[in-house]
Amino acid sequence: EDKVVQSPLSLVVHEGDTVTLNCSYEVTNFRSLLWYKQEKKAPTFLFMLTSSGIEKKSGRLSSILDKKELSSILNITATQTGDSAIYLCAVEAEVGAGGGADGLTFGKGTHLIIQP
Amino acid sequence: EAQVTQNPRYLITVTGKKLTVTCSQNMNHEYMSWYRQDPGLGLRQIYYSMNVEVTDKGDVPEGYKVSRKEKRNFPLILESPSPNQTSLYFCASEPSSGRAYEQFFGPGTRLTVL
Repeated sequence: EDKVVQSPLSLVVHEGDTVTLNCSYEVTNFRSLLWYKQEKKAPTFLFMLTSSGIEKKSGRLSSILDKKELSSILNITATQTGDSAIYLCAVEAEVGAGGGADGLTFGKGTHLIIQP
Repeated sequence: EAQVTQNPRYLITVTGKKLTVTCSQNMNHEYMSWYRQDPGLGLRQIYYSMNVEVTDKGDVPEGYKVSRKEKRNFPLILESPSPNQTSLYFCASEPSSGRAYEQFFGPGTRLTVL
């Protein structure tokens, strides 16, 4: 069974701090890893990672995949209160593998709280 | 505007009373799916559909039915809701299977079963 584990489950930091969120996975026929941000509504897409070692960046957010370690990290630098959200990691398996046609398996999320 | 719509957005019902949550997308997407989200459990896939008349079970299908008679609509049916189906439900669509990075989520339906 495909598995995605995120850590920590919850994190409280002060504005301006840098945070690192972790995602590890066990997936048959790995295709890609996706990060989402969820505020009080539906998740919004942040990054998709398919190749090891290539960093994706968007403003203060960046993410990298390590296929050897079966993991990914999401970094947020100079955090702001607007970064407070649940961050979801999901892994997509090749079509036809277990877990659905796209095999999208989500982790439980990291609840990030940024205090002013 | 490209979007996925869900109705109702909020629903409180009683055990055993059949209900349907509708989902509609206007992007001509082939692939649609339903998720439920519960505290501490993340998003779990209930059912998915690769195209019209093609549906299959996800990770937590028990107690749910779906249908895909038209490309744009993918209703979620609870024939006999129970309190353990109290949850936040999301419908999602993507152009075709395997393009999760282009997935659109609906706004969510918060269901309470008493």
